Amino acid sequence: AQSVAQPEDQVNVAEGNPLTVKCTYSVSGNPYLFWYVQYPNRGLQFLLKYITGDNLVKGSYGFEAEFNKSQTSFHLKKPSALVSDSALYFCAVRDNTGGFKTIFGAGTRLFVKA
Amino acid sequence: NAGVTQTPKFQVLKTGQSMTLQCAQDMNHNSMYWYRQDPGMGLRLIYYSASEGTTDKGEVPNGYNVSRLNKREFSLRLESAAPSQTSVYFCASISGASSGNTIYFGEGSWLTVV
Repeated sequence: AQSVAQPEDQVNVAEGNPLTVKCTYSVSGNPYLFWYVQYPNRGLQFLLKYITGDNLVKGSYGFEAEFNKSQTSFHLKKPSALVSDSALYFCAVRDNTGGFKTIFGAGTRLFVKA
Repeated sequence: NAGVTQTPKFQVLKTGQSMTLQCAQDMNHNSMYWYRQDPGMGLRLIYYSASEGTTDKGEVPNGYNVSRLNKREFSLRLESAAPSQTSVYFCASISGASSGNTIYFGEGSWLTVV
């Protein structure tokens, strides 16, 4: 069965500093990996995905993520955090062996201080 | 440009009452999902529909039923609501491989069972 772990409930970073939000996964076969962001009282918005190809994936709002197959990780990164990046971030994995289930992690709340 | 539309946005039920959450997407997607979001639990998959005419259980299906009425619509029914079903419910649809396998979410339905 597929699973996703986001080991940090909360990440605090000062504006202008780099940020990392961690994600590890377990899935049969090659994974489809996603990051989504949620602002208060809203649905989730797509940030970026890894399907195949380059391990470093660039997405919306200056975010990027690195796929590491040996460590089964897909950490979200941004070189310089903004206060407006403060939100709830979800990592997700989908099995690409023919199933359609997409499983989400528990989420990591990012606080960026001015 | 509606995307995924779900109704109602807010609902209060008494224990034992029934209700149906409605969801429709206008993006011609084959696959649709129902998730619930609870604090500290992230998004948990209730049911999904890989294509019109098929439905499958997700991580937490007990107490729910679904109907894939047609390609556009995927409803979630609570037959006898319980306080444990107090949650925020999200409907979603997923684009196919040719469009990047991206999940699109509705704005959420806040359900309280008293």
